[in-house]
Amino acid sequence: GENVEQHPSTLSVQEGDSAVIKCTYSDSASNYFPWYKQELGKRPQLIIDIRSNVGEKKDQRIAVTLNKTAKHFSLHITETQPEDSAVYFCAASKGTSYGKLTFGQGTILTVHP
Amino acid sequence: GAGVSQSPSNKVTEKGKDVELRCDPISGHTALYWYRQSLGQGLEFLIYFQGNSAPDKSGLPSDRFSAERTGGSVSTLTIQRTQQEDSAVYLCASSLGGGAWNEQFFGPGTRLTVL
Repeated sequence: GENVEQHPSTLSVQEGDSAVIKCTYSDSASNYFPWYKQELGKRPQLIIDIRSNVGEKKDQRIAVTLNKTAKHFSLHITETQPEDSAVYFCAASKGTSYGKLTFGQGTILTVHP
Repeated sequence: GAGVSQSPSNKVTEKGKDVELRCDPISGHTALYWYRQSLGQGLEFLIYFQGNSAPDKSGLPSDRFSAERTGGSVSTLTIQRTQQEDSAVYLCASSLGGGAWNEQFFGPGTRLTVL
């Protein structure tokens, strides 16, 4: 089955810096890659996603890049703010008949004011 | 509108007891997923429902785990003869359709503690 590895497990940055989280996946048939943000004690929420027919997608301060050949994708957050502090999860899915997600282990991002 | 809700929010039980966890998806969402989140870990897929059917139960850890969905809405995850390793947060998610490209909306989870 699919396996998703996520790095780093923890990331500490100063406010205003950029943060990058990387994930690799094993199943070349995977074609949908969402990123979820989970604040302490709250439910995971989708922040951005990318499909395999696209190499990059941006939404304000966040962007995701996908390298299908290397089977890895990354989340980029620019101009980080303290409210970006949370656990971030990447996931992968084959996106055929249903959306079973395989998640990475998560990255604890801390943005220091 | 109302999001995905789950009950109870917290459940403490003794080893060997049975527990039932409930999920109320967003109205009109035909797909429903159960995931488990152990301490410091990512989310682990358990089971997927499309309507009342469960085409994929591959993530259920053992035959002590079962789930059902009625009326294409509410779902119940049952764990029989609970073990300490069952302690985790159980999350439910629903989406408008079954395809992966339909955003999954998560509930707040049920934190299960098995003593």
